[in-house]
Amino acid sequence: NAGVTQTPKFRVLKTGQSMTLLCAQDMNHEYMYWYRQDPGMGLRLIHYSVGEGTTAKGEVPDGYNVSRLKKQNFLLGLESAAPSQTSVYFCASSFGDLQNIQYFGAGTRLSVL
Amino acid sequence: DAKTTQPNSMESNEEEPVHLPCNHSTISGTDYIHWYRQLPSQGPEYVIHGLTSNVNNRMASLAIAEDRKSSTLILHRATLRDAAVYYCILHNNAGNMLTFGGGTRLMVKP
Repeated sequence: NAGVTQTPKFRVLKTGQSMTLLCAQDMNHEYMYWYRQDPGMGLRLIHYSVGEGTTAKGEVPDGYNVSRLKKQNFLLGLESAAPSQTSVYFCASSFGDLQNIQYFGAGTRLSVL
Repeated sequence: DAKTTQPNSMESNEEEPVHLPCNHSTISGTDYIHWYRQLPSQGPEYVIHGLTSNVNNRMASLAIAEDRKSSTLILHRATLRDAAVYYCILHNNAGNMLTFGGGTRLMVKP
């Protein structure tokens, strides 16, 4: 049982390049989330999804797009990377019930030069 | 959203109990109190949560004040592996989002 798996683990981009981060969960969770964490800070929600085919904006959505074509996968895209998007990105998933315990991946460390 | 206040950092000795405080004076009646921790270079990990009553699990205990305006996460015997940032988070069903603050960095001395 892998839980939440993020790929890749590390990536370096040049300004203006695009990339997609993949999150996969094997717990049959309805809800999935993308957060970013800047040095010394707590996590901030970028986008989330309450089910297959649905997405919604979180606290800091600008510069990112997401897709949830399959229940188990949640993709985060950067169309034109900027240095301000240098961060560690975490994916999480949950059943979305009243107590909403979230399970997190190990993170993707992204540097934009 | 109701906010939480935690000390920036705390120190503990190995094998001693640790009490991590959290103030949440504007908590609403439907807010659950969640605790997560983040070990170095890892994603956050769920620790425990509660609504009104004290809770125990294999990782920790959660003591909730009678007026629910504060809570304490209790690690009964700290180990070096417990060194992490501990986040106290209020959550209700609306939006199903978690809002992470700065947390408390727990340092455990051998």
